[in-house]
Amino acid sequence: QVTLRESGPALVQPTQTLTLTCTFSGFSLTTSKMSVSWIRQPPGKALEWLARIDWDDDKYYSTSLKTNVTISKDTSKNEVVLTMTNVDPVDTATYYCARGLRWYDYWGQGTLVTVSS
Amino acid sequence: DIQVTQSPSSLSASVGDTVTITCRASQSINDYLNWYQQKPRKAPNLLIYGGSNLQSGVPSRFSGRRSGTDFTLTISSLQPEDFATYYCQQSYTSPWTFGQGTKVEIK
Repeated sequence: QVTLRESGPALVQPTQTLTLTCTFSGFSLTTSKMSVSWIRQPPGKALEWLARIDWDDDKYYSTSLKTNVTISKDTSKNEVVLTMTNVDPVDTATYYCARGLRWYDYWGQGTLVTVSS
Repeated sequence: DIQVTQSPSSLSASVGDTVTITCRASQSINDYLNWYQQKPRKAPNLLIYGGSNLQSGVPSRFSGRRSGTDFTLTISSLQPEDFATYYCQQSYTSPWTFGQGTKVEIK
């Protein structure tokens, strides 16, 4: 059974660094063609793709966010971590992690992060 | 980045209607277009991958087609549980990108 779960702070102050963890089970990121991505959704708005990390440690980032975002994995813990520096209120969103290389067949439930002072 | 333009942004339909949603890619993406359904306060759910492949467990009233850079999601005989927001996503070239969504509402 595949599951993913996002965790992290619910509230972050502007200019701070946001760190989110995706803990998954039912698959391994050491398996060829396996991948985990982060996607976010501001309240009432569309989905926005943020970053992806592949089984071979290749990493891909949103063009608009790549200077602020880092994705990493810990295969021993079955975790993928997203770090976003210098956050702004516009980064307020529900953040999802999802499994898949080209499409996402399993998603976490999402975690709402509010950026506010 | 490849843009995917989704239309309409919203539509009203009745149970039993056939509904079509379109995504147009800004360049050729072959068949690398996927469709998701999202209900309020829930994560998206994969419906169609690779342009026209039905995800396991998804009802056959959902179908996807490609014509050049235009992709359509068709819902035949709309059911009450189909009222939701639908998103397309291209996966031809990184970064992957999503459409702006289509909200299907009850008429």
